[in-house]
Amino acid sequence: DTAVSQTPKYLVTQMGNDKSIKCEQNLGHDTMYWYKQDSKKFLKIMFSYNNKELIINETVPNRFSPKSPDKAHLNLHINSLELGDSAVYFCASSHSSGGPYGYTFGSGTRLTVV
Amino acid sequence: AQSVTQPDIHITVSEGASLELRCNYSYGATPYLFWYVQSPGQGLQLLLKYFSGDTLVQGIKGFEAEFKRSQSSFNLRKPSVHWSDAAEYFCAVGSYSGAGSYQLTFGKGTKLSVIP
Repeated sequence: DTAVSQTPKYLVTQMGNDKSIKCEQNLGHDTMYWYKQDSKKFLKIMFSYNNKELIINETVPNRFSPKSPDKAHLNLHINSLELGDSAVYFCASSHSSGGPYGYTFGSGTRLTVV
Repeated sequence: AQSVTQPDIHITVSEGASLELRCNYSYGATPYLFWYVQSPGQGLQLLLKYFSGDTLVQGIKGFEAEFKRSQSSFNLRKPSVHWSDAAEYFCAVGSYSGAGSYQLTFGKGTKLSVIP
């Protein structure tokens, strides 16, 4: 069983489109995250949710909107896609008490905007 | 604010040679420290982590890392490198962001090439 699963694995879309990336974890964690890895391989946090509540919201365009229907799911919706949004997006999850135990990443979604 | 520096962008070693990848961090409290490896086109695989206790941490694939508070370092080592170790290596520091959320701040990575 995949602990943190993301779909799709690859996403190619045209500029201006709206797309969503889904993330699900079956680890029983109550905190989930989105990270972005740019073309230079630099990884940076975008958002975190704890029990469906937004905790971290780094400086990202508000075209990016995370949605957490329950604590096992954290989806990322992107409106009006731009060329610069091309990147690999990683979902992650962790426990919320005592430290970042069990911090687990998904396998990533490679988004290409053409 | 926390930060991580990996001074070496690219390292090349011969297969069978020893390896040390450097990582320095900046963080005001006791750090949570991680090393991840990423093979081309793949996701992030956790090699090892340090939260507390013994400062020499053993990980998977024969890797180890040593936490040195006085030097703010968490260097990754392997005594004998295999060709399959060629990948990108990331050091990260975890910090508490509130309400049960922990943010990982990554270094820019070190690319390891292995000469057969």
